[in-house]
Amino acid sequence: NAGVTQTPKFQVLKTGQSMTLQCAQDMNHEYMSWYRQDPGMGLRLIHYSVGAGITDQGEVPNGYNVSRSTTEDFPLRLLSAAPSQTSVYFCASSYLRAGEFRETQYFGPGTRLLVL
Amino acid sequence: SQQGEEDPQALSIQEGENATMNCSYKTSINNLQWYRQNSGRGLVHLILIRSNEREKHSGRLRVTLDTSKKSSSLLITASRAADTASYFCATDHVNYGGATNKLIFGTGTLLAVQP
Repeated sequence: NAGVTQTPKFQVLKTGQSMTLQCAQDMNHEYMSWYRQDPGMGLRLIHYSVGAGITDQGEVPNGYNVSRSTTEDFPLRLLSAAPSQTSVYFCASSYLRAGEFRETQYFGPGTRLLVL
Repeated sequence: SQQGEEDPQALSIQEGENATMNCSYKTSINNLQWYRQNSGRGLVHLILIRSNEREKHSGRLRVTLDTSKKSSSLLITASRAADTASYFCATDHVNYGGATNKLIFGTGTLLAVQP
């Protein structure tokens, strides 16, 4: 299994540009999520999905869109990039049993995004 | 606001010493997990403790959970230079409506183990 994969690894954008960060998992996990990590802030939840066709907002959803058309893929879209979105973005997936995270979250390697 | 807050923010110890990190959270949880992150890498799961458990061990790791104080601690015994990393707690919390389906991470403790 490849686990959780993310592309690209690095990206530089100009303010106002849009882009999509890709995330895929091959473990048949129903739950997928996106976090951003900033220095001194830990990981903050952006959006999450409990299954195909179902998405919801996390702690910091503004400026980001997600969709979940398949179990495997969970892309994150930046609609109009801003310097405040400069961060490292992590995708994660796991099983979810009766609404409870009973097992580990598997993390991707991260995407480093710089918005100028 | 974030659910988990780690203490201390940074910890420097000598190889062979024990390292203790603490995590506090605000609302009721199903479970609490600890993760490790090496510099520039993704997070790796260390251990999960359920809300009805008080202590759990895994190798050199010992985790305690006190739901009355809404706090947890991670003890790494006989630390090694390779344990140098950031350590995060993550809480699977619930509200009156049931599960929130959100795993919320704390701000992390940066551990440096000097050889």
